Amino acid sequence: DVKVTQSSRYLVKRTGEKVFLECVQDMDHENMFWYRQDPGLGLRLIYFSYDVKMKEKGDIPEGYSVSREKKERFSLILESASTNQTSMYLCASSLTRNNEQFFGPGTRLTVL
Amino acid sequence: GEDVEQSLFLSVREGDSSVINCTYTDSSSTYLYWYKQEPGAGLQLLTYIFSNMDMKQDQRLTVLLNKKDKHLSLRIADTQTGDSAIYFCAESPKGNTGGFKTIFGAGTRLFVKA
Repeated sequence: DVKVTQSSRYLVKRTGEKVFLECVQDMDHENMFWYRQDPGLGLRLIYFSYDVKMKEKGDIPEGYSVSREKKERFSLILESASTNQTSMYLCASSLTRNNEQFFGPGTRLTVL
Repeated sequence: GEDVEQSLFLSVREGDSSVINCTYTDSSSTYLYWYKQEPGAGLQLLTYIFSNMDMKQDQRLTVLLNKKDKHLSLRIADTQTGDSAIYFCAESPKGNTGGFKTIFGAGTRLFVKA
């Protein structure tokens, strides 16, 4: 059974802290994605990666960075967390074949 | 630019049919998708349709695609309380990133009344 796991379900951080969100997939997928989900706005793409050490900006990359050192792991980094980054963060992976994305359960991040 | 639009809320009675509508902008998309998100969970692919098809049926689900109007719909027959969830319409437009980027709508929250 395919699986995408995220390191935390809930996270509370303070403004200015550095935050790491980890995502791991066990399906040997080439592509991995980070989205944030906010009410009424749906999913917005932050960054994606189509290969190890490769990354591309999505629609809202400001304030975020990513790292993909191994194929199965894609990390999202908030260098200096701000209150407007309070959100649900979803990780996903896919094969290029039909682009079906497999999602993790999400991390609800609160920045105080 | 690329955009996917759908209404934010739909309420139906148990046993009725639900129809969730979506419009998209990029006619180059090879695949169009419907994802379901249950409370506290990530999204899960419900069904998808190739852009060269008009209709796809899978048990209680019927997907209709009108390419001329760039309109996609999802019909759920005999809607049950377990169908209560958020439904996302999505497309994968072709582009210089190889076509695997997916654009999601804002999601339609389906509320099923017993």
